Amino acid sequence: QLQLQESGPGLVKPSEPLSLTCTVSGGSISSSSYYWGWIRQPPGKGLEWIGVIYYGGSAYYNPSLKSRVTISVDTSKKHFSLTLNSVTAADTAVYYCARPAPSGGTAAFDIWGQGTMVTVSS
Amino acid sequence: QSVLTQPPSASGTPGQRVTISCSGSSSNIGRNTVNWYQQLPGTAPQLLMYSNIQRPSGVPDRFSGSKSGTSASLAISGLQSEDEADYYCATWDDSLNGVVFGGGTKLTVL
Repeated sequence: QLQLQESGPGLVKPSEPLSLTCTVSGGSISSSSYYWGWIRQPPGKGLEWIGVIYYGGSAYYNPSLKSRVTISVDTSKKHFSLTLNSVTAADTAVYYCARPAPSGGTAAFDIWGQGTMVTVSS
Repeated sequence: QSVLTQPPSASGTPGQRVTISCSGSSSNIGRNTVNWYQQLPGTAPQLLMYSNIQRPSGVPDRFSGSKSGTSASLAISGLQSEDEADYYCATWDDSLNGVVFGGGTKLTVL
């Protein structure tokens, strides 16, 4: 069955870029039915949608993060990536990669990675 | 401030029925289907309900969803101790052109 796994540095310095990768296993990343997304959760707070990308490359981003975010997909490597520029302490969070259910719409994420904690600190 | 409004907390005793509300607007819940997530402590969220009323495979039928106008609700009947978790609603917002989440409701089983 399809599984997602986030990877990347757990500590990022303020003003530097945050880069994470989500590896897809047990299934295809390039199905025409699939979007791939990122969601984050600051410590003790709620969920915040970051964005989604279609395997063909078109992406949608949270308007509040749009100027700093890029999501890309590499079908040959079976992973998709998140880059968040100019980070501050407010970007400290658990970052999840997730897949919207093909039959449920773009907001119905049925498969999640385990999440990776990223702390922004000097 | 979340686009979708949920009560911060809810509670019930074992066996009771509890409901959690999610209020939005015409650009989100009013036009799109609502999904619900359950997040147990220290774990990733899990899809609990999609397309307003559909349960993914494995979700007990004690959980049910509904939507009316610009609001939606999640009902849990026969409350069990393992239902103690955070619950989030989510949908697409046509004005923001993105996914919006509720602020989450912490359910306590007394």
